[in-house]
Amino acid sequence: GEDVEQSLFLSVREGDSSVINCTYTDSSSTYLYWYKQEPGAGLQLLTYIFSNMDMKQDQRLTVLLNKKDKHLSLRIADTQTGDSAIYFCAEKEYSSASKIIFGSGTRLSIRP
Amino acid sequence: NAGVTQTPKFRVLKTGQSMTLLCAQDMNHEYMYWYRQDPGMGLRLIHYSVGEGTTAKGEVPDGYNVSRLKKQNFLLGLESAAPSQTSVYFCASSSMGLADNMYFGPGTRLTVT
Repeated sequence: GEDVEQSLFLSVREGDSSVINCTYTDSSSTYLYWYKQEPGAGLQLLTYIFSNMDMKQDQRLTVLLNKKDKHLSLRIADTQTGDSAIYFCAEKEYSSASKIIFGSGTRLSIRP
Repeated sequence: NAGVTQTPKFRVLKTGQSMTLLCAQDMNHEYMYWYRQDPGMGLRLIHYSVGEGTTAKGEVPDGYNVSRLKKQNFLLGLESAAPSQTSVYFCASSSMGLADNMYFGPGTRLTVT
């Protein structure tokens, strides 16, 4: 079945770039998402990419998609303490309202 | 515009007790979802609804029931709580647009002893 995998933890120094990686198995995925969860809160959509795109940039965020390897990454430039959170990768088939599959989340911590 | 709200925020139940979690959205979204979040396991879909009066099973439906009598509300029921249902429960809603951005509620932390 479909699966989305992420590493559980990432620690970076303030001001450095953070790169969070994700792999997925469903080749029919149409949309791929990055969500951010701050402590005690629900998930908030950060950005998404269509499967026919290779890259999407939005201010400090850059999403790279390697469809051949089914690999998605989120780069956060100039990481700040406010970026501390859990980041979830998710995939979705266009035809299915229910099939949004989430990864286990990567906890990003920032070192001073 | 409150978005997605959930009540209660916290609850402790004894094994065998029942309860209902309420989710409400004011964005006129067609789709609503209940997820549970457990450490290291991401979010798993319990049940979902594609419109008023409809419900469907997700990935982990056993031990839960849902109802969508009004478009803005989606209720999740536990008839006989078990310790394995200790989790954080998130409700979400989305429109039928192409990107289908999901809006999440703040979560309900449930502990079953």
